[in-house]
Amino acid sequence: DIRMTQSPASLSASLGETVNIECLASEDIYSDLAWYQQKPGRSPQLLIYNADSLQNGVPSRFSGSGSGTQYSLKINSLQSEDVATYFCQQYNNYPLTFGSGTKLEIK
Amino acid sequence: QVQLKETGPDLVQLTQPLSITCTVSGFSLTTYNIHWVRQPPGEGLEWMGAMWNGGGTDYNSTFKSRLSINRDTSKSQVFLKMNSLQTDDTAKYFCVTNYYYSGDVFDYWGQGVMVTVSS
Repeated sequence: DIRMTQSPASLSASLGETVNIECLASEDIYSDLAWYQQKPGRSPQLLIYNADSLQNGVPSRFSGSGSGTQYSLKINSLQSEDVATYFCQQYNNYPLTFGSGTKLEIK
Repeated sequence: QVQLKETGPDLVQLTQPLSITCTVSGFSLTTYNIHWVRQPPGEGLEWMGAMWNGGGTDYNSTFKSRLSINRDTSKSQVFLKMNSLQTDDTAKYFCVTNYYYSGDVFDYWGQGVMVTVSS
């Protein structure tokens, strides 16, 4: 199974700041990487697919990058509505696997 | 309008089976795949398995032989059944689909059903 190591586990940042969340795959996943946002009590929502493609309707302050085994999600100009837990997911191989999540809070 | 909705029990007794139904609307099960993902309280996401649009299935080996996924295309329903539930099977169970994407990227999720395994 491909292991997805996500960091940090939690993050506190101020409004307007830029934050980065990392995801490291245990083997090359060839950019088959998605990012999801999950707000408390809600189902996850797709933000990014193919490592760097923005899902329709997602604000442009969200961006993804990376290749091989290393990927990142960047949130520019942090807004209050970005408070959530973020997960990465690889879909290069089965079983599909997710990172353990990053809980983002506002300072 | 693409929608998925899970229905199932809130509570299951230890060692008993779990059955959850995913009812979809706005698309056909013969065109789109349905996956099951679960999330224990306060924890991460775990892929359980998939019902492919052609009728085949794939399972996460974590669940070995106690998981089965079936469907009734005429009712637009996909069924998850898992045997021998343990307390660590307490989780919210989601059915999801990759509607716009060819890869297993989940752009539509059901609301989930929270199942507690009780001893």
